[in-house]
Amino acid sequence: GQQVMQIPQYQHVQEGEDFTTYCNSSTTLSNIQWYKQRPGGHPVFLIQLVKSGEVKKQKRLTFQFGEAKKNSSLHITATQTTDVGTYFCAGPFYNNNDMRFGAGTRLTVKP
Amino acid sequence: DGGITQSPKYLFRKEGQNVTLSCEQNLNHDAMYWYRQDPGQGLRLIYYSQIVNDFQKGDIAEGYSVSREKKESFPLTVTSAQKNPTAFYLCASSINRLRKSPLHFGNGTRLTVT
Repeated sequence: GQQVMQIPQYQHVQEGEDFTTYCNSSTTLSNIQWYKQRPGGHPVFLIQLVKSGEVKKQKRLTFQFGEAKKNSSLHITATQTTDVGTYFCAGPFYNNNDMRFGAGTRLTVKP
Repeated sequence: DGGITQSPKYLFRKEGQNVTLSCEQNLNHDAMYWYRQDPGQGLRLIYYSQIVNDFQKGDIAEGYSVSREKKESFPLTVTSAQKNPTAFYLCASSINRLRKSPLHFGNGTRLTVT
């Protein structure tokens, strides 16, 4: 079946180090959405990328959407303790409206 | 402020009992969803509704039921037929499912069945 895969599952970094999580879909996506879930909280929408090859930035966060619209990445520069949480990618498939979430990458930051 | 309200935050039930989780939104969104989250896993879709009086099964609908009698409300019933009901349940809404727009989530209900 159609799947969205995300790696790594866990990432532990020292505060100030960079962090990247990768998302890959088995089929073409209409768009890619990224969410952040703080420990004990609920997912909160961060950003949506729609165009092939699109790159968007939010302060220290950089989001990319692959040329084939089947992969995406989220890069955090100089992590801070406030970045702690689980980052999910999600994408509605191009050929239907089903939204699939990746399993998430849990980020912990050591001060 | 607009948003999605889920209640209660924590729910405890005995095995064999049905339980209903509440979800209300005042965002005027057409689409509403129920997701289940288990530790270390992503979000799995239980049911979704694109419009009042209409709902569709998601990937893991067995043992669950829903209703959508009002645009604002989308309650989920976890029946005794659900084999592993203990989980974190998240309700979400979006402007319109066909537009593939982002999801707004409620705070979730953590259900424990013993």
